Amino acid sequence: GENVEQHPSTLSVQEGDSAVIKCTYSDSASNYFPWYKQELGKRPQLIIDIRSNVGEKKDQRIAVTLNKTAKHFSLHITETQPEDSAVYFCAASKRSARQLTFGSGTQLTVLP
Amino acid sequence: DGGITQSPKYLFRKEGQNVTLSCEQNLNHDAMYWYRQDPGQGLRLIYYSQIVNDFQKGDIAEGYSVSREKKESFPLTVTSAQKNPTAFYLCASSIVSGSGSPLHFGNGTRLTVT
Repeated sequence: GENVEQHPSTLSVQEGDSAVIKCTYSDSASNYFPWYKQELGKRPQLIIDIRSNVGEKKDQRIAVTLNKTAKHFSLHITETQPEDSAVYFCAASKRSARQLTFGSGTQLTVLP
Repeated sequence: DGGITQSPKYLFRKEGQNVTLSCEQNLNHDAMYWYRQDPGQGLRLIYYSQIVNDFQKGDIAEGYSVSREKKESFPLTVTSAQKNPTAFYLCASSIVSGSGSPLHFGNGTRLTVT
């Protein structure tokens, strides 16, 4: 089955700096890669996703890049703000799969 | 206001007792899921259902049971056979089951078994 590894497990950045979280996946047939944000005590929410037919996708201050050859994808947050502090999860699935496989999560802390 | 409702938010049980966690959605989604969240381990899939009266085991189904008698409801029973039941449980739904269908999560139920 699919295996998704996520790094780092914790990340602290100064407000205004950029943050990068990386994930690798094992199944070359995976074609859908979402990122979820979970604020303390709240539900995970989808913030951005990418499919294997594109290499990069942006939405304001967040972007996701995908390297299919290396089987890794990354979340980039620019101009970080305190409200970006949360746990971020990456995930992967393939067309024939009925469920997502999640990474172990990254606790991002934005220091004022 | 559409969404997923999990109840209760906090649940306490004695060891050896079965307990049922509720999950209701009014999004008209076909697929529903139960995840378990433990510190440092991400989200692990317990069970999922693609359609009414059908469900499949996920990665950690042992000690859990589910039913899907109605499209809107997907209750999870944590049985006494589950060795480490204390955890945060998240229910989710998606329009269809499969790649590319975003998950919508409930607010979760924190279960503590002593």
